[in-house]
Amino acid sequence: GEDVEQSLFLSVREGDSSVINCTYTDSSSTYLYWYKQEPGAGLQLLTYIFSNMDMKQDQRLTVLLNKKDKHLSLRIADTQTGDSAIYFCAERDPSGGYNKLIFGAGTRLAVHP
Amino acid sequence: DTEVTQTPKHLVMGMTNKKSLKCEQHMGHRAMYWYKQKAKKPPELMFVYSYEKLSINESVPSRFSPECPNSSLLNLHLHALQPEDSALYLCASSQDHGNYGYTFGSGTRLTVV
Repeated sequence: GEDVEQSLFLSVREGDSSVINCTYTDSSSTYLYWYKQEPGAGLQLLTYIFSNMDMKQDQRLTVLLNKKDKHLSLRIADTQTGDSAIYFCAERDPSGGYNKLIFGAGTRLAVHP
Repeated sequence: DTEVTQTPKHLVMGMTNKKSLKCEQHMGHRAMYWYKQKAKKPPELMFVYSYEKLSINESVPSRFSPECPNSSLLNLHLHALQPEDSALYLCASSQDHGNYGYTFGSGTRLTVV
């Protein structure tokens, strides 16, 4: 079955790097995603990575994928107070012939001065 | 236009009321979704429309009735809801395969009294 797990909370100092971790169970997953949700808002797609990649970098964001361990991480460099939000890891349900995302529980990132 | 627009932003309704949530996108996306999100939880898929046809109903109670009048619009008709249906209802859209992620609206905060 499919399951996506994340730690629930992370606190970092402004200017430090944040690393949010995620594990998934289905090795046939092809696409994995990171979404950001600020209070009272919808989800914003931050980045995605295809399963044949190990790393993807986009400005302050770096995604690392370890397929052997089924581990995905999101690194935010130079974390700012505006990065405070809930971050969801998601995988594309590989079992369906339709579009379905499986979300983790979300990691709440708190950035303090 | 790269947005998904949802109206209304907030809705309070009684258990005997009938109301509708609306969602609109003009990105040419051919898949549209309704998600329900309870506080401190990840979004849960309710319905998927692909090319204006309902392709997924995740065993949602019949008091929720989706409608896709055309490729840009998605409605969710509500009737005889229960207080436990209070949640943030998110609409999303994607290119038909959804590989590159979804674009989410900011949601409708629904309170059933």
